[in-house]
Amino acid sequence: AQTVTQSQPEMSVQEAETVTLSCTYDTSENNYYLFWYKQPPSRQMILVIRQEAYKQQNATENRFSVNFQKAAKSFSLKISDSQLGDTAMYFCAFMNRKSSGDKLTFGTGTRLAVRP
Amino acid sequence: DSGVTQTPKHLITATGQRVTLRCSPRSGDLSVYWYQQSLDQGLQFLIQYYNGEERAKGNILERFSAQQFPDLHSELNLSSLELGDSALYFCASSSQEQAYGYTFGSGTRLTVV
Repeated sequence: AQTVTQSQPEMSVQEAETVTLSCTYDTSENNYYLFWYKQPPSRQMILVIRQEAYKQQNATENRFSVNFQKAAKSFSLKISDSQLGDTAMYFCAFMNRKSSGDKLTFGTGTRLAVRP
Repeated sequence: DSGVTQTPKHLITATGQRVTLRCSPRSGDLSVYWYQQSLDQGLQFLIQYYNGEERAKGNILERFSAQQFPDLHSELNLSSLELGDSALYFCASSSQEQAYGYTFGSGTRLTVV
């Protein structure tokens, strides 16, 4: 079974600065996807960024980027130029690659507070 | 609007009662997933349906059941409700191209009193 570990329950960052959220996972599979989801106070689950395991290049979406280290099973999220709207719970998630779809396995989340 | 519709948004009911949560997936998505999020906790996978068939089960209690109908909408039935069942219940859907991840609905907030 896959497990996802987020070792930082809470983090804080000053507005406009950079913060990195950590995530490690455990799997015996070779083909999979990794995701970061954001859950703001509204509780909506919002996809932030995704990474396909067979791609060595790290994914980037505007101010959000990942550091994917497949051998180390590490998938960290870097938020640059932090904004107040980035205040949210961030979940790292893992999904096996299957033709009929597969469940997302989530970590326990990191609560990020952006200070003005 | 994510394209995944969940109703109702809020539900308050008494212990011992039965409720039904409804989910309409995004157009074209064949897979529907149900997740439970208790207060300040992560999301726990309950069950997956793919094109009308059950595909995977997670930590779903025997008091809970689900189904996916021919029009692909899904219902999650919760019975003999207990105080501990109070949670946010999410439905999500995905297409066959899983690299894009799920699309989540806005959730149903269930409060058992």
